[in-house]
Amino acid sequence: AQKITQTQPGMFVQEKEAVTLDCTYDTSDPSYGLFWYKQPSSGEMIFLIYQGSYDQQNATEGRYSLNFQKARKSANLVISASQLGDSAMYFCAMRGGVDTGRRALTFGSGTRLQVQP
Amino acid sequence: EAGVAQSPRYKIIEKRQSVAFWCNPISGHATLYWYQQILGQGPKLLIQFQNNGVVDDSQLPKDRFSAERLKGVDSTLKIQPAKLEDSAVYLCASSLDIVGTGELFFGEGSRLTVL
Repeated sequence: AQKITQTQPGMFVQEKEAVTLDCTYDTSDPSYGLFWYKQPSSGEMIFLIYQGSYDQQNATEGRYSLNFQKARKSANLVISASQLGDSAMYFCAMRGGVDTGRRALTFGSGTRLQVQP
Repeated sequence: EAGVAQSPRYKIIEKRQSVAFWCNPISGHATLYWYQQILGQGPKLLIQFQNNGVVDDSQLPKDRFSAERLKGVDSTLKIQPAKLEDSAVYLCASSLDIVGTGELFFGEGSRLTVL
């Protein structure tokens, strides 16, 4: 079974500062992928960034980077230079067993980020 | 490219009534998912289709929930009879599983309130 844990229900950050959202995971699959999604108040889930378990380098997408520590089973999202529009719920998710064709994502409980001016 | 379409966006029903939600995935996406998101929680998978076949429905409450994807394109999720605890947002997603990260693309969701 796969499990995603997000221990920060809410976070505050000042505009233009960096913030780290924590995510730990548990899986018995040797191959897996880790995702972060953003959910604004409008409700739509927006894909931010992906990290494969065998990727040698940490993923980056613009102001988003993923701090992947495989031995610790953590995949923290770092948002640099926070903007007011970053205020939203953020979900960490995992896809395991890609070799066997299981493609659904398991989501964590989310972290609500509020960016303050 | 058109995104994942869902309807209705909002639905209010009384308990024991029935409701149906419709989803049209992104063109060419073989895999379609229905997730349930209860307020304050992360999405939980209800059912996953690949083309018109079910891949995973292990968390679907089959005594009251049903879903179909008859022609391998759009899909319908039905709840009958609804319970108070079914109040949630029902998210439909699709993915292209050939190459790349295979991320899921989500619709805006259908918000259900059961009174």
